[in-house]
Amino acid sequence: NAGVTQTPKFRILKIGQSMTLQCTQDMNHNYMYWYRQDPGMGLKLIYYSVGAGITDKGEVPNGYNVSRSTTEDFPLRLELAAPSQTSVYFCASGTSNTGELFFGEGSRLTVL
Amino acid sequence: AQRVTQPEKLLSVFKGAPVELKCNYSYSGSPELFWYVQYSRQRLQLLLRHISRESIKGFTADLNKGETSFHLKKPFAQEEDSAMYYCALPISGTYKYIFGTGTRLKVLA
Repeated sequence: NAGVTQTPKFRILKIGQSMTLQCTQDMNHNYMYWYRQDPGMGLKLIYYSVGAGITDKGEVPNGYNVSRSTTEDFPLRLELAAPSQTSVYFCASGTSNTGELFFGEGSRLTVL
Repeated sequence: AQRVTQPEKLLSVFKGAPVELKCNYSYSGSPELFWYVQYSRQRLQLLLRHISRESIKGFTADLNKGETSFHLKKPFAQEEDSAMYYCALPISGTYKYIFGTGTRLKVLA
């Protein structure tokens, strides 16, 4: 069982570069999320989606974009990377049945 | 605003000692609350949810509406309990889950 798969696991970007963090889940979950984890700050919600074609902002959406063209995939795009976006990013999925979120392994991004 | 607060960044206890990880919340209505755990080099995973009133790995958590708390407790800590613990709840009427800042538990031999 793959669950939630994120790629890449590590990435170093230069200021101003762009990239996409990929997330895919094979559990047919409607809800998908992107969080960032910063030391001492916990998990902050960037964007979330309740189904294909529907996305909404979380607590810290600035500098990011998402799309949800299929149930399985929820990529996170960083445009014009900034040092403040250095973080560990987690993708998660879930359903309304249990409320449980299933997380990916995380993607560590460094912007220099 | 709905909020989850975990006042301790780090909690160190000796093996065999009781553990209490604190979680306080602000929420109007009846909240659903969760505890998630992240062991070293593992992904974040659900530990327990208040609605199921279960005990997982010896941990329990009781929702106290009067004190707006959902503290995580274990009577006898084990070294393998060392991990990062997060309290979480969905914002009312949505499936946007917000998390506390987390507490790192270190169980000393």
